[in-house]
Amino acid sequence: DQQVKQNSPSLSVQEGRISILNCDYTNSMFDYFLWYKKYPAEGPTFLISISSIKDKNEDGRFTVFLNKSAKHLSLHIVPSQPGDSAVYFCAASGSGYALNFGKGTSLLVTP
Amino acid sequence: EAGVAQSPRYKIIEKRQSVAFWCNPISGHATLYWYQQILGQGPKLLIQFQNNGVVDDSQLPKDRFSAERLKGVDSTLKIQPAKLEDSAVYLCASSLVAGIGETQYFGPGTRLLVL
Repeated sequence: DQQVKQNSPSLSVQEGRISILNCDYTNSMFDYFLWYKKYPAEGPTFLISISSIKDKNEDGRFTVFLNKSAKHLSLHIVPSQPGDSAVYFCAASGSGYALNFGKGTSLLVTP
Repeated sequence: EAGVAQSPRYKIIEKRQSVAFWCNPISGHATLYWYQQILGQGPKLLIQFQNNGVVDDSQLPKDRFSAERLKGVDSTLKIQPAKLEDSAVYLCASSLVAGIGETQYFGPGTRLLVL
């Protein structure tokens, strides 16, 4: 059973605009959430995370928002750049520390 | 700082054959993970080691998969015998310790094709 869901397999955004990637989870025991970025033929790379005690975390162009009541988080990239084109995975963990990943969203940023 | 190393990068075998993957984590990282990523899916945890002890292997198909981490450093993951549905990328990751907020660093993966 998929506990972390990324319902948009792909997203295309123009350079300079905002990219918004969404993620939903079902397990209320999850208390730490992460976004990983993956380029072809490489392993996932950690991008940004958020603890359940926060509702927002910002790192440069990347901001993650968490809505615990809706069990929803989103990643905002502003402004989007062509180098941001990659697959983005949402992941969540609870007391067991193991990461539960979504299926990923493929982001394409066009010039 | 050297990253997580994995070998081989690619492997093609026939069903019912055996295969082994190797992982060398980042120096000093006590926790090591093996994930399976099937095409179109996110990575799924197979096994987690803390030093050379198993912390979580609840999703490891133990009838055909085995893993070890001798001396708490390198690790090998073995499949014997392989099935067609084992075709996937096998990712190794490591973290300094096991805990909430500990970043997991991933290797490039081994892409396995079972024919």
